Amino acid sequence: EVLLTQSPATLSVSPGERATLSCRASQIIGNNLAWYQQKPGQAPRLLIFGASTRATGIPARFSGSGSGTEFTLTISSLQSEDFGVYFCHQYNNWPPHTFGGGTTVEIK
Amino acid sequence: EVQLLDSGGQLVQPGGSLRLSCAASGFSFKHFAMNWVRQAPGGGLAWVAAISGGSSGAYYADSVKGRFTISRDNSDNTLYLEMNSLRVDDTAIYYCAKPSGGTLRDVFDVWGHGTLVTVSS
Repeated sequence: EVLLTQSPATLSVSPGERATLSCRASQIIGNNLAWYQQKPGQAPRLLIFGASTRATGIPARFSGSGSGTEFTLTISSLQSEDFGVYFCHQYNNWPPHTFGGGTTVEIK
Repeated sequence: EVQLLDSGGQLVQPGGSLRLSCAASGFSFKHFAMNWVRQAPGGGLAWVAAISGGSSGAYYADSVKGRFTISRDNSDNTLYLEMNSLRVDDTAIYYCAKPSGGTLRDVFDVWGHGTLVTVSS
């Protein structure tokens, strides 16, 4: 089973600043990694798939990078609506699908 | 519009059973694999089970293997999760999730709103 480790656990960022989230895989997973955003009381929303491709309707301030075992989600200029928890998901070595523990982005 | 409406969650005692449903609309359901993903209160996401479009294959997380059964009715566009021998640690919000390209090895681009299962005496 592929373990995904996200860091940091919590990130406090002022509006307009850059936020950088990390996801590390315990095995090589190519570029088969996705990122989701989840707000309280809501289901997760797909942001990025294939490590770097934005899903439909996702603003350009969200970008993903990485391959192999190291991945990054960057929010270039944080907006107030970007608060929430961000999860990474690997779908390369399946079953099972696995998720990281999440990074909480707080608005400073 | 693609929609998933999951339902069936409720309070159940340890050792009990429950069946969750997920009504799908807005896409060709029979051509898509489907998944269940759960989230414990305040916790992270955990994949539970998946089923191929034609029901030829069903796959489970080790934590639920032998206790949960995923199934589907393509004539009714509905996904099910039959849960038996429920344990306290099965308490979670359960989401049905649609794969983007329809395959089992894929990202989840549409999620249900979630249904809460609470296992407690």
